[in-house]
Amino acid sequence: GDSVTQMEGPVTLSEEAFLTINCTYTATGYPSLFWYVQYPGEGLQLLLKATKADDKGSNKGFEATYRKETTSFHLEKGSVQVSDSAVYFCALSDPSLIKAAGNKLTFGGGTRVLVKP
Amino acid sequence: NAGVTQTPKFQVLKTGQSMTLQCAQDMNHEYMSWYRQDPGMGLRLIHYSVGAGITDQGEVPNGYNVSRSTTEDFPLRLLSAAPSQTSVYFCASSYSNRRTGGLNTEAFFGQGTRLTVV
Repeated sequence: GDSVTQMEGPVTLSEEAFLTINCTYTATGYPSLFWYVQYPGEGLQLLLKATKADDKGSNKGFEATYRKETTSFHLEKGSVQVSDSAVYFCALSDPSLIKAAGNKLTFGGGTRVLVKP
Repeated sequence: NAGVTQTPKFQVLKTGQSMTLQCAQDMNHEYMSWYRQDPGMGLRLIHYSVGAGITDQGEVPNGYNVSRSTTEDFPLRLLSAAPSQTSVYFCASSYSNRRTGGLNTEAFFGQGTRLTVV
């Protein structure tokens, strides 16, 4: 079945540092890829997404590129802020299954990021 | 905008008790799901629904029941609580993006229910 693997945390950074969170996936179909963010005490929010090879998703200074050849979707931000402290989840869904199975998401284990002033 | 609303936010149960976690969405979304979040394991799918009257099992369905009598509501029932069900539970909803064939379908999550079974 489908699976998502992301680097374990916690990742501790200083403000303005560069952030990379690695994410790789295995999928039988041609998945859509997502990064979700969970701030303390809250539910998950969509951060960015990409639906086909070489697509770049971006939002709030974060970027991730859909790399089909390496089955990866690494998240990057050039200069983090304290407010970026959160848990980040990489996820995929298979659009070909959506009618039969709804929008089922397969998640990675999450990476906790702590940004210090 | 209410979005996806879960109640309660916190709950403590004794082993063997039953309870229902409520989930409601006001976006007229077809798809609804329940996930549990455990440390280091991400979110795992418990049950899902593709529309009113239609439900199916996800990855970890044992010990849970669901029903979908209306588009808006998707309650999760714990039949006989066990300590292994201590977790944070999230309800999510999404729509069918027919224009993109489902490619850009974003899931909207509730704020979660933290359940402890003692």
